[in-house]
Amino acid sequence: NAGVTQTPKFQVLKTGQSMTLQCAQDMNHEYMSWYRQDPGMGLRLIHYSVGAGITDQGEVPNGYNVSRSTTEDFPLRLLSAAPSQTSVYFCASRRPPRETQYFGPGTRLLVL
Amino acid sequence: QKEVEQDPGPLSVPEGAIVSLNCTYSNSAFQYFMWYRQYSRKGPELLMYTYSSGNKEDGRFTAQVDKSSKYISLFIRDSQPSDSATYLCAMSEGSNFGNEKLTFGTGTRLTIIP
Repeated sequence: NAGVTQTPKFQVLKTGQSMTLQCAQDMNHEYMSWYRQDPGMGLRLIHYSVGAGITDQGEVPNGYNVSRSTTEDFPLRLLSAAPSQTSVYFCASRRPPRETQYFGPGTRLLVL
Repeated sequence: QKEVEQDPGPLSVPEGAIVSLNCTYSNSAFQYFMWYRQYSRKGPELLMYTYSSGNKEDGRFTAQVDKSSKYISLFIRDSQPSDSATYLCAMSEGSNFGNEKLTFGTGTRLTIIP
């Protein structure tokens, strides 16, 4: 199993540009999540999904959109990038109810 | 005030020493307590978890939870250079372990000096 994979590894955007961060898992996990990690802030939940077609907001959802059309994929869309969205983004997945979360390797995003 | 407080370090100790990492929290509804290890430029990986108060041991690692003091600890015995990483505490409410709404500490960067 590849586990949780994320692409790209690193991206530079200009303010106002849009992009999609990809996340895929091959463990047939129902639950998937997106976090951002910033210095001094820890990991914060952006959006999560408990199954295909079902998504919900986390702690910091503004400026991000998600959808979940398949069990395997959970893309995160930035509609109009802002410098405040410079961060490292982690995708995670798990099989409820008692399995732990598995994190992907992260995407480093720089918004100029 | 943050719900979870964690000393960011950095913390440097010689190889073989006992390491103590700690977090305090303010939300009395937290029931599940986790420690993640994160190597540089990698995603976090779960190291230990405990439910409610008590101790849990796994090899060189021991996790302790004191709900009365709202204080959790991770001890690493016989520390190795491979233990050098950032350690994140995380907590969640309710009965659903691994609840998506985890609250993380900011992480403590640990370096083990050979």
